[in-house]
Amino acid sequence: GQQVMQIPQYQHVQEGEDFTTYCNSSTTLSNIQWYKQRPGGHPVFLIQLVKSGEVKKQKRLTFQFGEAKKNSSLHITATQTTDVGTYFCAGYLVAGNNRKLIWGLGTSLAVNP
Amino acid sequence: EPEVTQTPSHQVTQMGQEVILRCVPISNHLYFYWYRQILGQKVEFLVSFYNNEISEKSEIFDDQFSVERPDGSNFTLKIRSTKLEDSAMYFCASGGLVVLTDTQYFGPGTRLTVL
Repeated sequence: GQQVMQIPQYQHVQEGEDFTTYCNSSTTLSNIQWYKQRPGGHPVFLIQLVKSGEVKKQKRLTFQFGEAKKNSSLHITATQTTDVGTYFCAGYLVAGNNRKLIWGLGTSLAVNP
Repeated sequence: EPEVTQTPSHQVTQMGQEVILRCVPISNHLYFYWYRQILGQKVEFLVSFYNNEISEKSEIFDDQFSVERPDGSNFTLKIRSTKLEDSAMYFCASGGLVVLTDTQYFGPGTRLTVL
C-alpha cells in the first residue's frame, strides 16, 4: 500500500547545530503537510506545500517539496532547545475517488543545551 | 485564540465495553477529524466528517467505530466494543474549508486505556 517513509527516526544534536528530516513517498502526493508534536502534546500544524519544487521558510525552518512531489524535507538552522519534539510529515494523495492523508513515523529531535 | 477541546483527558475501560470520546471543534470550522496515536508511534488518520456525514475513512475505521455530531458543537467518536489494541491517544482535529488539505487544529487528545 501507499507509504510515507520518514528518516531519521531519531536525531540528537548540540544546540546550534543544524537538523534535517526527510520524507519519501512511494507515490506522487497532491500536497504534503508538516506537524510538530512536543513531548506529551498534540500535533501542531507547521506548513503545507503544494507545488512541485516549492520552498517555504519560517524563521529558522526551511521546507522543501521535491520536483516529483514524492519527497520533502524540513531543515532547521541553528537548533534551539525549544525545537525539541517529534516532526511528522503527512502526505495527501488522491487515487480515483479515494483520498488519504498518510503520516510518516516522525523524527524525534533532542537538543543538548 | 479558539481551540479544539476534548473530554475526557483519560478514559479507562474494560475490554468489550463501549466508549464515547467527545470533542468540541473550533466553531466556524467545516471539517472534523479523528486520529489515533498508539504510544510512541505515528499518527493514524481514522475519519473525516463534513456536512453531517463521513467524507473519508481509513481501513482502521471499521464497523466498531462511529462518529456523530449530535448538536451544533460536539463531535463524538464511539467505539462499540473496545479491544486491547484500541488503547491509544485519540486526537480530534478541525479544519476550515477544504478536507484534508487545509490547516488542521488538533485538540489535546483523550488517552484511552483498555484493560
